[in-house]
Amino acid sequence: NAGVTQTPKFRILKIGQSMTLQCAQDMNHNYMYWYRQDPGMGLKLIYYSVGAGITDKGEVPNGYNVSRSTTEDFPLRLELAAPSQTSVYFCASRERGQSSAEGYTFGSGTRLTVV
Amino acid sequence: GESVGLHLPTLSVQEGDNSIINCAYSNSASDYFIWYKQESGKGPQFIIDIRSNMDKRQGQRVTVLLNKTVKHLSLQIAATQPGDSAVYFCAEIRETSGSRLTFGEGTQLTVNP
Repeated sequence: NAGVTQTPKFRILKIGQSMTLQCAQDMNHNYMYWYRQDPGMGLKLIYYSVGAGITDKGEVPNGYNVSRSTTEDFPLRLELAAPSQTSVYFCASRERGQSSAEGYTFGSGTRLTVV
Repeated sequence: GESVGLHLPTLSVQEGDNSIINCAYSNSASDYFIWYKQESGKGPQFIIDIRSNMDKRQGQRVTVLLNKTVKHLSLQIAATQPGDSAVYFCAEIRETSGSRLTFGEGTQLTVNP
């Protein structure tokens, strides 16, 4: 199993450009999440999904959109990139009903710079 | 507002010493508290968690203590090794609302040889 796969690993965007961060998991997990991490800070939740067709806002959703058309994929869309979106983005998944936090699986991250 | 936060941003210890990393939380509705280790350029790595109805849990070289009276969480690392150098985050989960993780801001642990 590959776990949670994020692409790309690095990207530089110009202000106003758009892009999609890809996230795929092969564990048939119901729950998927997008977090961003600014330097020296903890991760903050952008959006999450509890199953295909269902998405909800997290703590910092402004400037982002998501979709969940399949169980496996959870892409994150930036429509008009701003310097404030410079960050490292982590995708994660978890099986519904697990009784501990050990079941969270994180991707390796996408480092995005907006200039 | 509800938050999970750390007392100190940095901690420096000698190799072989025990390390204690602290965390304060404000939300009494959390179901689990978790400690993550994050090395430079990598994603969070699970260390240990504790259910909110427990006071202590031990793992390999690590112990987590939960004091619900003062809303305090700590991670103790025994015989700290250079490989333990990393940023440590506490986090909490509420099983409602999709089991989202709420992270604190991290403590940089440096282990000196």
